[in-house]
Amino acid sequence: EAGVTQFPSHSVIEKGQTVTLRCDPISGHDNLYWYRRVMGKEIKFLLHFVKESKQDESGMPNNRFLAERTGGTYSTLKVQPAELEDSGVYFCASSFSYEQYFGPGTRLTVT
Amino acid sequence: AQSVSQHNHHVILSEAASLELGCNYSYGGTVNLFWYVQYPGQHLQLLLKYFSGDPLVKGIKGFEAEFIKSKFSFNLRKPSVQWSDTAEYFCAVNAGGTGGFKTIFGAGTRLFVKA
Repeated sequence: EAGVTQFPSHSVIEKGQTVTLRCDPISGHDNLYWYRRVMGKEIKFLLHFVKESKQDESGMPNNRFLAERTGGTYSTLKVQPAELEDSGVYFCASSFSYEQYFGPGTRLTVT
Repeated sequence: AQSVSQHNHHVILSEAASLELGCNYSYGGTVNLFWYVQYPGQHLQLLLKYFSGDPLVKGIKGFEAEFIKSKFSFNLRKPSVQWSDTAEYFCAVNAGGTGGFKTIFGAGTRLFVKA
């Protein structure tokens, strides 16, 4: 069974540019989550999809972040325009129930 | 608000030493508790989980954790660590109930095991 995959693995962009991160969940998992870890701090929840609907987006830092999950399959997280403080590792996870399976993360560096 | 506190940010042990990583959480309701591990260069993996039942849970690679409800704790233990246990360990909690809730993580504990 394929795990959660994320693309790209690394991204380096300049302040003000746009970046789109992609997450492909495990097939059949209706729940998809985005998390972020900034500079060795705790991993923080960003949002949760159930199929294509946003169930909880309480962790989204501001309106520069836009997440979508068209058709209830893969999800994208767009940051526009990127700021220096957006640098970090963005994790995606998916689940059928309580137990979440994590992807390898995308390391975003904003310079 | 829910929160998770891990007592140690860095731990250095020699092989064969015993390990205990502390974790306390703040949440008043039913919780699911997890320990995740991230080995160097790898992604987060589930080490063990507690949903209900026996408060002493066994995980992979000889790890175990004990849920003490009265202390809001879920400490991770291993009787004898190996060099290959060098990794970062995260305690996490999500709310009980139907599936699919956001997970709150602690700041992580970096464990280095000296060969």
